[in-house]
Amino acid sequence: GAGVSQSPSNKVTEKGKDVELRCDPISGHTALYWYRQSLGQGLEFLIYFQGNSAPDKSGLPSDRFSAERTGGSVSTLTIQRTQQEDSAVYLCASSFQTGTGELFFGEGSRLTVL
Amino acid sequence: DAKTTQPNSMESNEEEPVHLPCNHSTISGTDYIHWYRQLPSQGPEYVIHGLTSNVNNRMASLAIAEDRKSSTLILHRATLRDAAVYYCILRDDSGGSNYKLTFGKGTLLTVNP
Repeated sequence: GAGVSQSPSNKVTEKGKDVELRCDPISGHTALYWYRQSLGQGLEFLIYFQGNSAPDKSGLPSDRFSAERTGGSVSTLTIQRTQQEDSAVYLCASSFQTGTGELFFGEGSRLTVL
Repeated sequence: DAKTTQPNSMESNEEEPVHLPCNHSTISGTDYIHWYRQLPSQGPEYVIHGLTSNVNNRMASLAIAEDRKSSTLILHRATLRDAAVYYCILRDDSGGSNYKLTFGKGTLLTVNP
């Protein structure tokens, strides 16, 4: 497809388990962003990639959260030892260039931690 | 980040124009004004952006005040599909060092049939 693809679209997990969320950006987009949106809230920035490097991880809520990007393309957001407060929609976006141009968002991965 | 102020909610009727205001009194000279919208259960989508001059595209128009301290997103004929949360965001697009969009609470637009 031509857009940003995220998987899974829905994930239900038990407290304490690890989860991986995947983002496939638009081909050729060098910048990739992860955001989180809790129920009824605005979007919270988590991390930004330029190519494979992450110059800004300032939004990651705790050391249980990590992300990587390989080949300048696919990114994985990993949450270890999930907690109920991690329940949210995790949104990925990509853009052709850093600091300019529009961001293209995926439909998100809805995470529910029981 | 320079802040924006938007009304929490607005209502419109279908096929009527909608004017969504945004105040950004602390805008700096290199801040671009970006608008995104988020339809229910979807990720945000780009609407329009501008620096000083008014901008038009197929989705909307952006009217920017001469002093740039405020702007208005104009939907010329609202449809039910335009019901969404609209975000007004400032970002310095000049040097490539300011890369992220910082989303506020936005304006929830309701369109009545």
